[in-house]
Amino acid sequence: GESVGLHLPTLSVQEGDNSIINCAYSNSASDYFIWYKQESGKGPQFIIDIRSNMDKRQGQRVTVLLNKTVKHLSLQIAATQPGDSAVYFCAENSGGSNYKLTFGKGTLLTVNP
Amino acid sequence: GAVVSQHPSRVICKSGTSVKIECRSLDFQATTMFWYRQFPKKSLMLMATSNEGSKATYEQGVEKDKFLINHASLTLSTLTVTSAHPEDSSFYICSARVGTGAYEQYFGPGTRLTVT
Repeated sequence: GESVGLHLPTLSVQEGDNSIINCAYSNSASDYFIWYKQESGKGPQFIIDIRSNMDKRQGQRVTVLLNKTVKHLSLQIAATQPGDSAVYFCAENSGGSNYKLTFGKGTLLTVNP
Repeated sequence: GAVVSQHPSRVICKSGTSVKIECRSLDFQATTMFWYRQFPKKSLMLMATSNEGSKATYEQGVEKDKFLINHASLTLSTLTVTSAHPEDSSFYICSARVGTGAYEQYFGPGTRLTVT
């Protein structure tokens, strides 16, 4: 299950199961959202993005859902594999000419074989 | 495509010295590059936004004289940590925005700085 507390939120799943990682964003004016995967000691890796005029977007084994009413974003990973184990961050673009991203706290996904 | 490199990947320096970190976009021209700092088990904190040919824009609380940023070309930005202290030890990551109107940022592999 998912736990939230003083430490990095964690999600532990069995290999082959589907994973759902959630993110609450802060700015109702944000118009663009990205999910990144970060493995230990490495830089974030782009997974999938979505613009605010959409509520769902699918990629290879991943789906991003956007609920603007409650300012919620989720990442669904189908048939989770051990190689999916990493920290996942959502990020939002709040507008402005510099295209800055604001990152969420991150969720540690652990896939058990 | 959209590969970003950083050099060095790891650096150890003595307190009081300066360290330069390079960020390069290898297969595209980056109008804007960003520098982030990340503490263990924490999220990425934006330090500054760097536009080619102009001065960097620093986030609130980031000392511009401490963290010097130069974006000399469309493929290279550098971050220099001046007069480093142990509290500057961190993981520094750069990213680059692909082009005009593009939101997505592609990240470098990061640089682990340890100040002794």
